[in-house]
Amino acid sequence: DGGITQSPKYLFRKEGQNVTLSCEQNLNHDAMYWYRQDPGQGLRLIYYSQIVNDFQKGDIAEGYSVSREKKESFPLTVTSAQKNPTAFYLCASGDRGRLQYFGAGTRLSVL
Amino acid sequence: AQRVTQPEKLLSVFKGAPVELKCNYSYSGSPELFWYVQYSRQRLQLLLRHISRESIKGFTADLNKGETSFHLKKPFAQEEDSAMYYCALFPKARGAQKLVFGQGTRLTINP
Repeated sequence: DGGITQSPKYLFRKEGQNVTLSCEQNLNHDAMYWYRQDPGQGLRLIYYSQIVNDFQKGDIAEGYSVSREKKESFPLTVTSAQKNPTAFYLCASGDRGRLQYFGAGTRLSVL
Repeated sequence: AQRVTQPEKLLSVFKGAPVELKCNYSYSGSPELFWYVQYSRQRLQLLLRHISRESIKGFTADLNKGETSFHLKKPFAQEEDSAMYYCALFPKARGAQKLVFGQGTRLTINP
C-alpha cells in the first residue's frame, strides 16, 4: 500500500454539518480526482484538478467543494447542501488523466 | 459527448466457463480505452489498456472501432476473477483531462 492515502476510512455526518475527506498522494502526479461510487451507478466524477490552485467541476459537483493548495493534497468537503451524501468516495491521482491510481476510499454515512 | 456503456450490471458464470464483459463507447475521435477492476476489499486498479495489447490475468480486450466496442474476455473463468469491472475511455483530444467511466459490471464466478 502507498501512493494515495484517504482518511478517514469511515465518516459519519450529522444533518447540517460539513465534513471534509482527506486525500494525499506521494506519486508526484499533477492531476487529482474525486469520484462518488454508488451501487448500480458506477463512478461519477465530482471534482478534478490538473494543477495546484486550479480545479474544475465534474458531473456531480453540487453540494461539494475542494481545494488544491498543495500538489500532494486534494481535500473534499461535503457540505450541508448535499442532500444525499451517503456513498463511497474515491480519490485518484493520475498522469495526464490516462492512468489513474486510486485510494482505498472513504465511506460516508449520515446519522 | 463521450459515453461508455456497460450493458450488464451483473454477470454470473461458472468456473471454467468463458467470460465476456461488454463495453460500448461513443466518441467521434480515436479514444484510449481501459479496463479497471475492483476486487473485494481492494482498491480500484488498472487491469489493462488497449494500446498495450497485452493479456493480464488471462484477460484480453480488443478495440473494435467499427462496432465501437472494447469487450473484456477470458476463455476460462476462475473464482478469483469475481470483482467489479469498469470500462473507461480517455478522449485523445487536445486538452482532454479526464476519464469517462461506464457504470460497471459485477462479475461473479460460481464454483
